[in-house]
Amino acid sequence: QTVVTQEPSVTVSPGGTVTLTCASSTGAVTSGHYPNWFQQRPGQAPRALIYRTDKKHFWTPARFSGSLVGGKAALTLSGVLPEDEADYYCLLYYGGDYLRVFGGGTKLTVL
Amino acid sequence: EVQLVESGGGLVQPGGSLRLSCAVSGFTFSNYAMHWVRQAPGKGLEYVSAINANGSSTHYADSVEGRFTISRDNSKNTLYLQMGSLTAEDMAVYYCARDRGTVPADFEYWGQGTLVSVSS
Repeated sequence: QTVVTQEPSVTVSPGGTVTLTCASSTGAVTSGHYPNWFQQRPGQAPRALIYRTDKKHFWTPARFSGSLVGGKAALTLSGVLPEDEADYYCLLYYGGDYLRVFGGGTKLTVL
Repeated sequence: EVQLVESGGGLVQPGGSLRLSCAVSGFTFSNYAMHWVRQAPGKGLEYVSAINANGSSTHYADSVEGRFTISRDNSKNTLYLQMGSLTAEDMAVYYCARDRGTVPADFEYWGQGTLVSVSS
């Protein structure tokens, strides 16, 4: 069974920079996994932030960026705002038949 | 404005069935692949199912394979998820989401979700 692992929780100060990561149990994450990132604020539906590793939707704030770092997919927030406090999920694609797996999510606290 | 509105959730007994709908507007439904994702209370997101733009190809997570059926009616701008043999593990908020293209690849827009409760 394929497992996608994220940090369970991360704390960052307002104005700071933080990187969340997304690892695959099958090995290094590559662009072929089509990494997607989502934000979910408490009580709300998820919102798409990043697709295809580093592509932004038109509504994605500039302070969010996606990349591959050390064999993992990464989501970096620069100049963190209090409103960025939320759960963040990554999603990886594992080839044929549309198989996709979500990470367990990272709870980001802005403190 | 792109809108996805799920409906059909509710309380169902273990072993029962339920059909969820996702009515869309604001875009040409037949041009986009669609997804279902669920979230159990207090838990993370779980990928459930996907369908391509013309409905000819579908995929299911192992946890629902053989019990759930995804379908779409492009003339009615509606996505469906027929769920059967429901257990407590299926209790969750179910979200529909639109892809960016005709083949399932990248998520774009999400609905607000509909809650499915399974209890006797």
